[in-house]
Amino acid sequence: KNEVEQSPQNLTAQEGEFITINCSYSVGISALHWLQQHPGGGIVSLFMLSSGKKKHGRLIATINIQEKHSSLHITASHPRDSAVYICAPSYGQNFVFGPGTRLSVLP
Amino acid sequence: GAGVSQSPRYKVAKRGQDVALRCDPISGHVSLFWYQQALGQGPEFLTYFQNEAQLDKSGLPSDRFFAERPEGSVSTLKIQRTQQEDSAVYLCASSLLASRASGQYFGPGTRLTVT
Repeated sequence: KNEVEQSPQNLTAQEGEFITINCSYSVGISALHWLQQHPGGGIVSLFMLSSGKKKHGRLIATINIQEKHSSLHITASHPRDSAVYICAPSYGQNFVFGPGTRLSVLP
Repeated sequence: GAGVSQSPRYKVAKRGQDVALRCDPISGHVSLFWYQQALGQGPEFLTYFQNEAQLDKSGLPSDRFFAERPEGSVSTLKIQRTQQEDSAVYLCASSLLASRASGQYFGPGTRLTVT
């Protein structure tokens, strides 16, 4: 069974701060997704990565396959970034969601 | 619309009632997934379709849960004799490819409350 952990569970930041959310998993994977879930349930897929690093706007995702660890970074955070961020590794035919990190960015 | 849609958005059912939740995936998407998300938890996998074929239903919590996608597009998740523990948000996602590791587009979810 793939155990997925995220840290921190909750994070409050001031607007403009650099934010890091970490994800670790226990089983070798084929890819890892970072998802953003806004209040009301809507989920948006931010990244899918299997190695290295990807960047999209102010968001950066990195993954270290050997260490079974991924990070999501948000530069120059903004209140509209407030959401739950979910790490979701996929391996073989399985796709497991982490518990999520609840981010609040204060103006 | 361009995204995945789900209906109804909210459903209140009395314990013992049957409910049917609908998912309209993005047109042309091969794969369709259903997830259950309890309050404060991450989504948990229920079942996966590739076109009309249900390839994995290992996440369905009991035989009261049934999903179908008869024509390979719209899918329905049916819950029979609902119980209070079925209260959750039910999320549907679709992806273009026949691969569970490809990017998934999520619908807004249906919030089911069983009283």
